[in-house]
Amino acid sequence: GNSVTQMEGPVTLSEEAFLTINCTYTATGYPSLFWYVQYPGEGLQLLLKATKADDKGSNKGFEATYRKETTSFHLEKGSVQVSDSAVYFCALSDPWNQGGKLIFGQGTELSVKP
Amino acid sequence: ETGVTQTPRHLVMGMTNKKSLKCEQHLGHNAMYWYKQSAKKPLELMFVYSLEERVENNSVPSRFSPECPNSSHLFLHLHTLQPEDSALYLCASSQELVSGTNTGELFFGEGSRLTVL
Repeated sequence: GNSVTQMEGPVTLSEEAFLTINCTYTATGYPSLFWYVQYPGEGLQLLLKATKADDKGSNKGFEATYRKETTSFHLEKGSVQVSDSAVYFCALSDPWNQGGKLIFGQGTELSVKP
Repeated sequence: ETGVTQTPRHLVMGMTNKKSLKCEQHLGHNAMYWYKQSAKKPLELMFVYSLEERVENNSVPSRFSPECPNSSHLFLHLHTLQPEDSALYLCASSQELVSGTNTGELFFGEGSRLTVL
């Protein structure tokens, strides 16, 4: 079945460090891929998305490129801030499912220290 | 403020209690969802409603009972829960049902933190 696998957290970085959070997926066909972010005490919100191979999603300094050959959608940011501390979820929408299913990974907690 | 409001934010209940979680969306969306968030586990999709009709029931135990009286409101009725049901329950909505033919964004509420004693 379709699934999403993220790197284990927590990830702890100093301010201005480079961030990579790995995400790989298994899917039949060509899913759309998403990164959602959950700040402390809040619900999830969409950070960025990509709908086809080689697309790059970007928002708030974060980027992720849809790599079909490696079935990956790694999240990157060149210089993190304390305010980026949150839990990040990778997700895909099943291309063959009409039942409203967005499949999420387990989340990766990021903690940025000043 | 995402336009999706969940109440209560925190709920503690015994295994014999009956309680309900409420979700309201002010976005004019047609689809609503319940997800369960447990530590270190992927978000689990529980129920999906589109235009007030249930379209997905992900093998959820019958002690969880959803209700969607209109496109703006979604309830999750809880009865005889188990301690392992303690989790954050997230409600979400989208303009239309998320599928492979659209790239619909989900809008989440802040969640209801449930503790079952």
